[in-house]
Amino acid sequence: GDSVTQMEGPVTLSEEAFLTINCTYTATGYPSLFWYVQYPGEGLQLLLKATKADDKGSNKGFEATYRKETTSFHLEKGSVQVSDSAVYFCALSIPHFGNEKLTFGTGTRLTIIP
Amino acid sequence: DAGVIQSPRHEVTEMGQEVTLRCKPISGHNSLFWYRQTMMRGLELLIYFNNNVPIDDSGMPEDRFSAKMPNASFSTLKIQPSEPRDSAVYFCASSWGGTGAYEQYFGPGTRLTVT
Repeated sequence: GDSVTQMEGPVTLSEEAFLTINCTYTATGYPSLFWYVQYPGEGLQLLLKATKADDKGSNKGFEATYRKETTSFHLEKGSVQVSDSAVYFCALSIPHFGNEKLTFGTGTRLTIIP
Repeated sequence: DAGVIQSPRHEVTEMGQEVTLRCKPISGHNSLFWYRQTMMRGLELLIYFNNNVPIDDSGMPEDRFSAKMPNASFSTLKIQPSEPRDSAVYFCASSWGGTGAYEQYFGPGTRLTVT
């Protein structure tokens, strides 16, 4: 079945450090890939997405590139801020009618220290 | 645009009581999802609807849980009777498959505490 494997957390970084959160996937079809972010006390928010191989999703300084050859979608940011502290979820969906479920990774908790 | 609306935001109830959680999806979205999130089990999909029809309820824990979607703008998740192990944050999410990517938009959640 489809699955997503994320880097285990928690991850603690100093402000302005470089961030990478690894995500790899297994899918039977051609998935769309997503990163969601959950700030404390809130629901999940879509951070970025990519729908085909070599697409790069980007938002708020975060980037992720859909790598079909390595089945990966790693999240990166060049300089993190305290406000980036949150839980990050990698997810995939196989876009065909009647099966719109997202398969989520377990989440990676990120804490940024001033 | 209003996002996904959930009510109540917090619910505290005693074991054995009926609990009803409510969700209003984003207007125009045709799929609706109910999730449960706990520290121990993470994020779990309970059930989802497409065009108001339940498509997959394999995640519903047991018969105490039921969900309905009487129209495109409203859904409920009911727990009867509630138990302490049902304590969790319950999220509703909606999506529209027209883009082909099926990204979901989440509500703020209902924090349920069963004592």
